[in-house]
Amino acid sequence: GQSLEQPSEVTAVEGAIVQINCTYQTSGFYGLSWYQQHDGGAPTFLSYNGLDGLEETGRFSSFLSRSDSYGYLLLQELQMKDSASYFCALPIRGATNKLIFGTGTLLAVQP
Amino acid sequence: NAGVTQTPKFQVLKTGQSMTLQCAQDMNHNSMYWYRQDPGMGLRLIYYSASEGTTDKGEVPNGYNVSRLNKREFSLRLESAAPSQTSVYFCASSEPHEPFATNEKLFFGSGTQLSVL
Repeated sequence: GQSLEQPSEVTAVEGAIVQINCTYQTSGFYGLSWYQQHDGGAPTFLSYNGLDGLEETGRFSSFLSRSDSYGYLLLQELQMKDSASYFCALPIRGATNKLIFGTGTLLAVQP
Repeated sequence: NAGVTQTPKFQVLKTGQSMTLQCAQDMNHNSMYWYRQDPGMGLRLIYYSASEGTTDKGEVPNGYNVSRLNKREFSLRLESAAPSQTSVYFCASSEPHEPFATNEKLFFGSGTQLSVL
């Protein structure tokens, strides 16, 4: 089957760098996405990796290693507003535009 | 630009009651989705619609029905609500689907918090 694993919680201080890891199991890899969700609100798209390597979008970067079935989201220059839940997501096998989500990582940014 | 609009925002039902959650998007997206979110469980796909007139089951479809009324609207119906369906429900839509496109970017509504007593 398909599954994703993330740490349940991560804590970091304002201004620091934090990495949120995601390991996955799937057959027929079609890309790894990342979403942010503030306090139960609407999840919002952050990043997508279809190939190995680093994708950078401002303070956020996402990395993928397909050989290790592993990816991470890197948040730099942390701000209090980055406190949120972060989800990695995979397309369902055979249906590339249906996503399954990991259980999410709650990031707490402390002053 | 409203994006994805869900109604209602909150609802309390008694076991056995029925209700329909409404969702509409104004981004001309072909694909629409219903997810539920429970504490510690992440988002789980209930049903999916690739285009008007088509629907498909997701990970947890039991106890639900859907209708893709037109390109804009995708509703979720609970025929006989159960306490296990207490959850937050999110509707989402995505970019027009192209064959073999994999970089789907989902746009989510603000959610419906449903309690079944």
